[in-house]
Amino acid sequence: NAGVMQNPRHLVRRRGQEARLRCSPMKGHSHVYWYRQLPEEGLKFMVYLQKENIIDESGMPKERFSAEFPKEGPSILRIQQVVRGDSAAYFCASSPTSSLFKNEQFFGPGTRLTVL
Amino acid sequence: GENVEQHPSTLSVQEGDSAVIKCTYSDSASNYFPWYKQELGKRPQLIIDIRSNVGEKKDQRIAVTLNKTAKHFSLHITETQPEDSAVYFCAASSGGATNKLIFGTGTLLAVQP
Repeated sequence: NAGVMQNPRHLVRRRGQEARLRCSPMKGHSHVYWYRQLPEEGLKFMVYLQKENIIDESGMPKERFSAEFPKEGPSILRIQQVVRGDSAAYFCASSPTSSLFKNEQFFGPGTRLTVL
Repeated sequence: GENVEQHPSTLSVQEGDSAVIKCTYSDSASNYFPWYKQELGKRPQLIIDIRSNVGEKKDQRIAVTLNKTAKHFSLHITETQPEDSAVYFCAASSGGATNKLIFGTGTLLAVQP
């Protein structure tokens, strides 16, 4: 029973390049959350998606960041024209479909993005 | 806005002692309060959670208490062991349809052997 999977685990980009982070939720989970963790800080909510829908993107920066969760395939967090301040660990979490346990979120191993 | 405060930021205890971490939240609509343990370079791992209709929950050496009136909740670890050393995060759900988690700033727990 595979857990939440993320890839790549480490990603190095130069300023101005694009970063694509992928997240495959646990089997049976259709809710995906993305969080960002700056060095030695807590996790900050970015976006919440269900299949083919963005439900809440109140934590996403207005520019350069976008997210999707297509009908088929993983959820993708895309950062265009990266800057050094984007360097962080990006965690994806998934949640069960059942409303009874809808709150529980299980985290993937994260993608550590380094912008040179 | 939604906010979760967590104290202390660092906590050092002797092996076998108890550790207590406290959090307060601002959103009265919050109804779910998980605690996560994060070791260096690893993912946050859910260790225990509590819902708003319960005042206390226990799982072996770990317990969580919730006071909805005062909007605070606490994590209690008894008989601490060196492998309990990690950063612990509390969180509160935002309520409503989103259920996004608002995290505290974390507590670095060091258990001295």
